[in-house]
Amino acid sequence: EPEVTQTPSHQVTQMGQEVILRCVPISNHLYFYWYRQILGQKVEFLVSFYNNEISEKSEIFDDQFSVERPDGSNFTLKIRSTKLEDSAMYFCASSAWSRPSEQFFGPGTRLTVL
Amino acid sequence: GIQVEQSPPDLILQEGANSTLRCNFSDSVNNLQWFHQNPWGQLINLFYIPSGTKQNGRLSATTVATERYSLLYISSSQTTDSGVYFCAVGAKNRDDKIIFGKGTRLHILP
Repeated sequence: EPEVTQTPSHQVTQMGQEVILRCVPISNHLYFYWYRQILGQKVEFLVSFYNNEISEKSEIFDDQFSVERPDGSNFTLKIRSTKLEDSAMYFCASSAWSRPSEQFFGPGTRLTVL
Repeated sequence: GIQVEQSPPDLILQEGANSTLRCNFSDSVNNLQWFHQNPWGQLINLFYIPSGTKQNGRLSATTVATERYSLLYISSSQTTDSGVYFCAVGAKNRDDKIIFGKGTRLHILP
């Protein structure tokens, strides 16, 4: 069964460093998303991406964040200058054109900012 | 925006017991999904159920969209059912973000 994959599974970085989290959505999906979950809290929406542009972003998704679909398979989230409060699990999700509201999640990347 | 409330927040049960988890939402939705977050943090899709009833093995779910709630039933619980169960909804006429509830933490004792 096709699934969303994410790399790396864990990332440890120093405050102020740039990180890039990578995702490979399900191959025929057209809608892509990033969510984050701070430890012990609920999952929060960051950004949605369709047709090579951001369709919506939350107030969390400030100028330090950016997303890109550099080729036909990858979808990336970049955090330009990490802060301690960026430590969280980051989930990528994708959905199909035929049913965009049903989202499938990857296993997550646990980001730790020291 | 839509509010999603889940209850109970925590549930401890003996192996073999049945349980019902509830999700209330504050507005019309075009999507409702139930997820299981396992101890490794992975979000596992359980059901896509904007309305009606579905069953998958020991799990079943019912959404009554007109009354703005959904129920997840787990029968004959096993220790592997432990984890956090999230309900997430998408607003009517929106195909972007889904809003998660705070989850129900289920602990099944052997």
